[in-house]
Amino acid sequence: GQNIDQPTEMTATEGAIVQINCTYQTSGFNGLFWYQQHAGEAPTFLSYNVLDGLEEKGRFSSFLSRSKGYSYLLLKELQMKDSASYLCAVKDSNYQLIWGAGTKLIIKP
Amino acid sequence: SQTIHQWPATLVQPVGSPLSLECTVEGTSNPNLYWYRQAAGRGLQLLFYSVGIGQISSEVPQNLSASRPQDRQFILSSKKLLLSDSGFYLCAWRSLDMEAREQYFGPGTRLTVT
Repeated sequence: GQNIDQPTEMTATEGAIVQINCTYQTSGFNGLFWYQQHAGEAPTFLSYNVLDGLEEKGRFSSFLSRSKGYSYLLLKELQMKDSASYLCAVKDSNYQLIWGAGTKLIIKP
Repeated sequence: SQTIHQWPATLVQPVGSPLSLECTVEGTSNPNLYWYRQAAGRGLQLLFYSVGIGQISSEVPQNLSASRPQDRQFILSSKKLLLSDSGFYLCAWRSLDMEAREQYFGPGTRLTVT
């Protein structure tokens, strides 16, 4: 079967750095996405990786290792507004998105 | 710019009642359209997707159905709701542009079946 694993919840301090991991086992791979979802709202797109390596976008970076079936989202200089769930999703061989359950990130002052 | 609308925002329905949720997209033509459901604390479950008018693919067999009567309109329906149909329903679109990768989500409908 297809599986996306993420930690259920993480806590970090304002101004710090946090890394959210995602491991996947899917039938084929056509890219990995990270989305941010604030409570009660729709997910919003953060990043996309299809090749190995690090993609940086401001305070957020995403890393991919296809051989290890592994990705992480790195958030720097954490702000209170970063408190949200972070969803990892993989596009499989049928070009459909398989979603992880999300990681709830709690930022403390 | 593109905009996606969903309504209603919240809905409380009794078991056995019908359902109709509507999604419309503005500012793009011939998008791929998707219906997802998200249970509390869970990931997104793809229910239906459509690549064109009248073309619907079902991912999960259940008492829900979808229709796409117009290019930018996607409707989710049920004849008789179950308690297990409660959840956060999200409509999403993706451009057919070769460079397009991500899906964009509407604001969602929170459905509570009582």
